[in-house]
Amino acid sequence: DGGITQSPKYLFRKEGQNVTLSCEQNLNHDAMYWYRQDPGQGLRLIYYSQIVNDFQKGDIAEGYSVSREKKESFPLTVTSAQKNPTAFYLCASSIGGLAGGSNEQFFGPGTRLTVL
Amino acid sequence: AQKVTQAQTEISVVEKEDVTLDCVYETRDTTYYLFWYKQPPSGELVFLIRRNSFDEQNEISGRYSWNFQKSTSSFNFTITASQVVDSAVYFCALSEAPSEDSNYQLIWGAGTKLIIKP
Repeated sequence: DGGITQSPKYLFRKEGQNVTLSCEQNLNHDAMYWYRQDPGQGLRLIYYSQIVNDFQKGDIAEGYSVSREKKESFPLTVTSAQKNPTAFYLCASSIGGLAGGSNEQFFGPGTRLTVL
Repeated sequence: AQKVTQAQTEISVVEKEDVTLDCVYETRDTTYYLFWYKQPPSGELVFLIRRNSFDEQNEISGRYSWNFQKSTSSFNFTITASQVVDSAVYFCALSEAPSEDSNYQLIWGAGTKLIIKP
């Protein structure tokens, strides 16, 4: 089955700790994205990557880092510099390329991060 | 600047009623794309439809229909004979045509929470 997997589903972190959220896709998509969603709010873009070994900051990149060493993987690290990391994190992918604007994004099931 | 407005924060209807979710967008591009996504309580966003700016034909898919009107910059979504399973948050989104400066982002509305009561 083709799709996007995110793990873990629930994650608890102590203040001051870095934590990495996993995102894997087997759709052969070039583009991948990380969003943050706070309760009752819309989606805000953290980072995106249009191609392997390249990524760009979104609207709220501070306190986060990413890597794109493989086409199918786009892990997100929430660092201790992120002041309010408790949120729902969604990973998405799309075909990408020059037609990227027209391509719908497909989403994983999300990871709910709680800082204790 | 691009912007997507979903003015209805929450809508509550009784099952079998028809309901329309509004989406108004702003863009300076002549080529753009509009999307609707559904987010059920489980959290995962589900793609519903994509529309490009050159195709103003209305779309119907079962109980779902979409009304795209460039004259009013709107892309409204109607659910006919609503069911409890339609309860979710629905997001409208806009993407402009890619260019050298394009960052391929989707501009998201704030979402409309739809509650279908049995």
